[in-house]
Amino acid sequence: GNSVTQMEGPVTLSEEAFLTINCTYTATGYPSLFWYVQYPGEGLQLLLKATKADDKGSNKGFEATYRKETTSFHLEKGSVQVSDSAVYFCALSLSNFGNEKLTFGTGTRLTIIP
Amino acid sequence: ETGVTQTPRHLVMGMTNKKSLKCEQHLGHNAMYWYKQSAKKPLELMFVYNFKEQTENNSVPSRFSPECPNSSHLFLHLHTLQPEDSALYLCASSQRLGTDTQYFGPGTRLTVL
Repeated sequence: GNSVTQMEGPVTLSEEAFLTINCTYTATGYPSLFWYVQYPGEGLQLLLKATKADDKGSNKGFEATYRKETTSFHLEKGSVQVSDSAVYFCALSLSNFGNEKLTFGTGTRLTIIP
Repeated sequence: ETGVTQTPRHLVMGMTNKKSLKCEQHLGHNAMYWYKQSAKKPLELMFVYNFKEQTENNSVPSRFSPECPNSSHLFLHLHTLQPEDSALYLCASSQRLGTDTQYFGPGTRLTVL
């Protein structure tokens, strides 16, 4: 079946540090890949996505590249801010004759300290 | 503001109670979803509706009963729940099923005593 594996948190970094959150996937076809973010007390919001191999998704200084050869979609940001503190979810969606659905990882809690 | 609202935001209920969760989307989307978010577990898809028709029931116990009267509203009726059902219940919508971006509501934090 399809699955997503994320690095376990929590992750604590100082402001302006470099961030990497690892995500790898298992899928029977060619999925679309997503990063969602959940700020405290809120629902999930789409952060970025990539729909085919070698695509790079980017938003708010975050980037992730769809690597088919390593089945990975690692999230990176060059200089994090306190406002980036949230839970980050990697997810995939795979076409299945109209019955597509998102499969999520367990989430990684990120805390940025000033 | 994501355009998806959920009420109530918090709910405490006993195992013999009956309650309902409500979700409303103001985005003109055709697909709506219920998810369960428990601590240290992946987000679990519960139900999917497309144009008011249920297209997926992900082996959810019958004590959870969804209802979708129109494309803008989604309910989750709860009865005789168990303490392990305590979780954050998230509603989402998308323009179409599949790889379209899903927009999530803030969730209902449910505690079953």
